[in-house]
Amino acid sequence: DTGVSQDPRHKITKRGQNVTFRCDPISEHNRLYWYRQTLGQGPEFLTYFQNEAQLEKSRLLSDRFSAERPKGSFSTLEIQRTEQGDSAMYLCASSLRSESAEAFFGQGTRLTVV
Amino acid sequence: QKEVEQNSGPLSVPEGAIASLNCTYSDRGSQSFFWYRQYSGKSPELIMFIYSNGDKEDGRFTAQLNKASQYVSLLIRDSQPSDSATYLCAVKANQAGTALIFGKGTTLSVSS
Repeated sequence: DTGVSQDPRHKITKRGQNVTFRCDPISEHNRLYWYRQTLGQGPEFLTYFQNEAQLEKSRLLSDRFSAERPKGSFSTLEIQRTEQGDSAMYLCASSLRSESAEAFFGQGTRLTVV
Repeated sequence: QKEVEQNSGPLSVPEGAIASLNCTYSDRGSQSFFWYRQYSGKSPELIMFIYSNGDKEDGRFTAQLNKASQYVSLLIRDSQPSDSATYLCAVKANQAGTALIFGKGTTLSVSS
């Protein structure tokens, strides 16, 4: 499978715990994006990387959220001290570096904070 | 003002009719516009994208841009029940680097 891969697909955690999600983009894609989607809403942009550089992170929801892409390949999104309001689908997408480049989405990680 | 706005619907059309979906955007400098389709429980998939220099047709789908009024539309001709989904409008907004900014989506229901 050469699509965008996200792991885990589902995560249930207790409030206050830390969680980390992984995204493996399409191999030749140098851009990687993280989004959050809640029920009835469109994907909400969080942050993106071009290769290993995080070029936009001002939209991360709070300082509890952080993302890395250490070698320009896979990326991780960490949420510290989870809250019930963090329950959502976390989507990763990747694309080539081009204005017209389509962003391909992974299947997402559904987080439930109890 | 939200960066990308869509009427959440639902928009209901009979099979074979034309479905018209619209969105407005706030960044006048936006150059690239995308329509994604999202089935319930699935991730978004691209239907079409257009640049600021014109409309585009692909099979039953036509995307149109009105830069003066800052809105983008998607027309689906000969609508089929399989077109029933949420349609997300996305814009590459300069204030977010090159990331796509999405509207909340319009739910389309095509009845047979």
